Amino acid sequence: EPEVTQTPSHQVTQMGQEVILRCVPISNHLYFYWYRQILGQKVEFLVSFYNNEISEKSEIFDDQFSVERPDGSNFTLKIRSTKLEDSAMYFCASSVRTGNYGYTFGSGTRLTVV
Amino acid sequence: DQQVKQNSPSLSVQEGRISILNCDYTNSMFDYFLWYKKYPAEGPTFLISISSIKDKNEDGRFTVFLNKSAKHLSLHIVPSQPGDSAVYFCAASAGNQFYFGTGTSLTVIP
Repeated sequence: EPEVTQTPSHQVTQMGQEVILRCVPISNHLYFYWYRQILGQKVEFLVSFYNNEISEKSEIFDDQFSVERPDGSNFTLKIRSTKLEDSAMYFCASSVRTGNYGYTFGSGTRLTVV
Repeated sequence: DQQVKQNSPSLSVQEGRISILNCDYTNSMFDYFLWYKKYPAEGPTFLISISSIKDKNEDGRFTVFLNKSAKHLSLHIVPSQPGDSAVYFCAASAGNQFYFGTGTSLTVIP
């Protein structure tokens, strides 16, 4: 069964450093998403991406965040200058269509900012 | 501003009995609802969904009920099995973005 792959599974970084979280969505999917879950809290929407541009983003997704689909297969989330509060599980998801379809999630990257 | 709420953080049920997980929402524009299941260290896995034009959708042991007037959604698992032990998230959408509840941790006791 096709799956969304995320790497690395765990990333530890120092505060202020840049991190790039990588995702390989399902190949025929057109819509891509990043979500995060801070420990003990709900899954929060960060951003959606379609046709090589951001289609929607939450207020969490401020200027320190950016997304890119550099080569047609990878979908990356960059955090420019990490803060302690960025520590969370980051989930990538993809879908064939937008709206009324469930996503396929990756297994997540645990980001720990120290 | 929590548009989707799961007021029970945890639930324990005996194997073979029914598990009922509840979810409330505030936005009347939501037109699609989903349940996701999440095991530790894994991403959420889609379980079952329902459109706002229906009030019930069934898939094997899983049934989702939607009460639009009450803005309430529930997931029934019958019979519950130990492998069902996981965190269950409900989610709702009105377009491109999904809003998740905080999750309910279900433990099925053998």
